Amino acid sequence: GAVVSQHPSRVICKSGTSVKIECRSLDFQATTMFWYRQFPKKSLMLMATSNEGSKATYEQGVEKDKFLINHASLTLSTLTVTSAHPEDSSFYICSAPNPGRNSGNTIYFGEGSWLTVV
Amino acid sequence: AQTVTQSQPEMSVQEAETVTLSCTYDTSESDYYLFWYKQPPSRQMILVIRQEAYKQQNATENRFSVNFQKAAKSFSLKISDSQLGDAAMYFCAYRSGGANSKLTFGKGITLSVRP
Repeated sequence: GAVVSQHPSRVICKSGTSVKIECRSLDFQATTMFWYRQFPKKSLMLMATSNEGSKATYEQGVEKDKFLINHASLTLSTLTVTSAHPEDSSFYICSAPNPGRNSGNTIYFGEGSWLTVV
Repeated sequence: AQTVTQSQPEMSVQEAETVTLSCTYDTSESDYYLFWYKQPPSRQMILVIRQEAYKQQNATENRFSVNFQKAAKSFSLKISDSQLGDAAMYFCAYRSGGANSKLTFGKGITLSVRP
């Protein structure tokens, strides 16, 4: 079945540095990918929609300069947390819709990434 | 805008028993899909079941089934013969019919299974 892979699964970085998270669709092409943030025992909060070949669409309240999203190819989207601070520590998860005819209009999720800023 | 409501934050079920998780949604669209996702402690989002709005028949996947009431905009998940591995957070989600449309999630419900 369709697989979305996210890397790294866990990352610790120092305050003030930047960290990049990758999201790859392994067996289908994704013109769109979604990035979410999730706080403990809470629902997924959509941060932005990345679009291959164009600028990402950010949800209200999400800082574009803080969370840089690049959709470099039809199988790769990246989220870069710039000048990270402890309050950016969270679980980030990506997803991608499989546009294939037999996909059942399902969105597939990566494994998620735990970011800890110290 | 579409909204998804899961009003029960927590539920508990005895192993081998049946439990129903509630979900309602609001939309003015006619073409949409509904999903239940399971999120265990690993945080991996696992698709449990999917329902196309145009289908009248309720979706079923082994021990999981839904009660889709389109007019009432209700989409509940029934888990039969509950197992310890069913303990997780469950999210109800809505998706418009467009190829690249996003998922709108409910707040989720934490299900615990008593041995």
